[in-house]
Amino acid sequence: GQQVMQIPQYQHVQEGEDFTTYCNSSTTLSNIQWYKQRPGGHPVFLIQLVKSGEVKKQKRLTFQFGEAKKNSSLHITATQTTDVGTYFCAKFTGNQFYFGTGTSLTVIP
Amino acid sequence: DAGVIQSPRHEVTEMGQEVTLRCKPISGHDYLFWYRQTMMRGLELLIYFNNNVPIDDSGMPEDRFSAKMPNASFSTLKIQPSEPRDSAVYFCATQLSGANVLTFGAGSRLTVL
Repeated sequence: GQQVMQIPQYQHVQEGEDFTTYCNSSTTLSNIQWYKQRPGGHPVFLIQLVKSGEVKKQKRLTFQFGEAKKNSSLHITATQTTDVGTYFCAKFTGNQFYFGTGTSLTVIP
Repeated sequence: DAGVIQSPRHEVTEMGQEVTLRCKPISGHDYLFWYRQTMMRGLELLIYFNNNVPIDDSGMPEDRFSAKMPNASFSTLKIQPSEPRDSAVYFCATQLSGANVLTFGAGSRLTVL
């Protein structure tokens, strides 16, 4: 259906370690978006990818869109405590946004 | 712009009471979405409006839930009567057509005892 699956559900890392979350769809995506929700906060838009194989970077964050446009990943290099939160992927289709289940990241100082 | 403004931020009520959540969208944004977030079910779309008109309410869980958008700067989500399983964070989010980006409000945390 319209679901996007996200793994892992939870991830605990030591500060300074890398972190990756994956988003998968059974159907081809026209776009994929990523949002971050801090604990107690609300989702905030990070980025949108639309092209096959696209890679975008925001400082220590690297976003990738798969060649087949069925998967995406968010990689954080050298995590910091400010990276704590839940990261959601979402697809926008038919004027609706369908969110993944999210990956909750805990960074241990 | 002050962003999407939701009220109340927190609401604690007893089962059977009516709950009204409010949202003021970003000026000019013509799409408004209501989401519910729980640990078990994640972010669920309840209903969305385009130019104040409800487009898809298939996510509204039951007849106890209703939403209105009487004008471009105000929307409400009402639960009557409320039940403990309605406890969740309710987010309002708005979008400018063509921009494909959702801007969320801070959310209303509802606890039904």
